[in-house]
Amino acid sequence: DAMVIQNPRYQVTQFGKPVTLSCSQTLNHNVMYWYQQKSSQAPKLLFHYYDKDFNNEADTPDNFQSRRPNTSFCFLDIRSPGLGDAAMYLCATSTRQVLNTEAFFGQGTRLTVV
Amino acid sequence: AQTVTQSQPEMSVQEAETVTLSCTYDTSESDYYLFWYKQPPSRQMILVIRQEAYKQQNATENRFSVNFQKAAKSFSLKISDSQLGDAAMYFCAYRGYNTDKLIFGTGTRLQVFP
Repeated sequence: DAMVIQNPRYQVTQFGKPVTLSCSQTLNHNVMYWYQQKSSQAPKLLFHYYDKDFNNEADTPDNFQSRRPNTSFCFLDIRSPGLGDAAMYLCATSTRQVLNTEAFFGQGTRLTVV
Repeated sequence: AQTVTQSQPEMSVQEAETVTLSCTYDTSESDYYLFWYKQPPSRQMILVIRQEAYKQQNATENRFSVNFQKAAKSFSLKISDSQLGDAAMYFCAYRGYNTDKLIFGTGTRLQVFP
């Protein structure tokens, strides 16, 4: 089945140690999103891509970076994780087709910072 | 900037009864898409229902229907014949017609009692 896959599901990292979260999709969607979701809160958009065009949210900390080497893969890099970065990170994909604009989500990666 | 507001942090309903979740949004755009997403505990976000702003007819998907009031910028979700499996966080989301950016409301936690 076509889907959005996030790896790993759970990630434990040390304070200040760089960590990379990955997302892949088989939907061939042009748009990919990264969201941060803290407990019982709304998903907060960090950045999104249309193909390789990168769109950073104004309030996304510089500590968060992203790469999209091709249509299928997208990575979230946290350069120096702090305790406040512990959260669920959600990857999603979408298109610009008028009748098909909903986002499809992966299962998320839960990041713990120790 | 667009904002999405869900004023009900928690709602509860008895099995087989009907419940309505509220959502309001603020935008200066005339064309956009609205969504309701469901996020069960520890499971991925899935689309419940979608509404295109240019359509006057309210969207319906089986037991789920919306009341879309464009002038009032209101987009409520009605769940009929509630089932135990409907228990989840429900998020209202907005996407502009000419943008890829998808923004979420703060969510409503729905509990369903037998």
